[in-house]
Amino acid sequence: LAKTTQPISMDSYEGQEVNITCSHNNIATNDYITWYQQFPSQGPRFIIQGYKTKVTNEVASLFIPADRKSSTLSLPRVSLSDTAVYYCLVAKGNAGNMLTFGGGTRLMVKP
Amino acid sequence: DGGITQSPKYLFRKEGQNVTLSCEQNLNHDAMYWYRQDPGQGLRLIYYSQIVNDFQKGDIAEGYSVSREKKESFPLTVTSAQKNPTAFYLCASRKSVGDLAKNIQYFGAGTRLSVL
Repeated sequence: LAKTTQPISMDSYEGQEVNITCSHNNIATNDYITWYQQFPSQGPRFIIQGYKTKVTNEVASLFIPADRKSSTLSLPRVSLSDTAVYYCLVAKGNAGNMLTFGGGTRLMVKP
Repeated sequence: DGGITQSPKYLFRKEGQNVTLSCEQNLNHDAMYWYRQDPGQGLRLIYYSQIVNDFQKGDIAEGYSVSREKKESFPLTVTSAQKNPTAFYLCASRKSVGDLAKNIQYFGAGTRLSVL
């Protein structure tokens, strides 16, 4: 499994764009990058998934450079309700049983 | 409404007692998972099952047991052998066939277990 490294915590203010970067230097050719969000006392929720370049949905964007050794989750114009822990996972496309959730990044959005 | 239902939301265990956490899904997903989360930590895999009547140990299976008699249900028993069971337990499911990119797991709301 590709090991991931992401900041332990980040602070932001309402209305700002937040970028959380995840390093995965030993990502394999058939690995996908997936981000989850977890609020306190709730289960993680899927945010976005990508393989290369840029992926955008209604919640976030995911930027993946050509070498795929890192990825950046971008949250546009955050609000207080975006305060949560964000997990970056790297795994083969059909390796659901091999997902590893590290400590994640605790994002605190301030008014 | 499709989803994963965990019950109870809160559970208390006495010393030497076995307790069972329920997890039911109506998403028609093939694979189901149990995770443990300690305060301020990530998730650790306890057990997983990819098909009915089959399951595999995860990273921290000792002191836990599971069954998968129905596709929809994957109960977790925390046995008396688990000496430090206080944690937040999360159940998840995933459709394990089809689109290779879909290693997406869907989680329940969790059960918080405490020892009396």
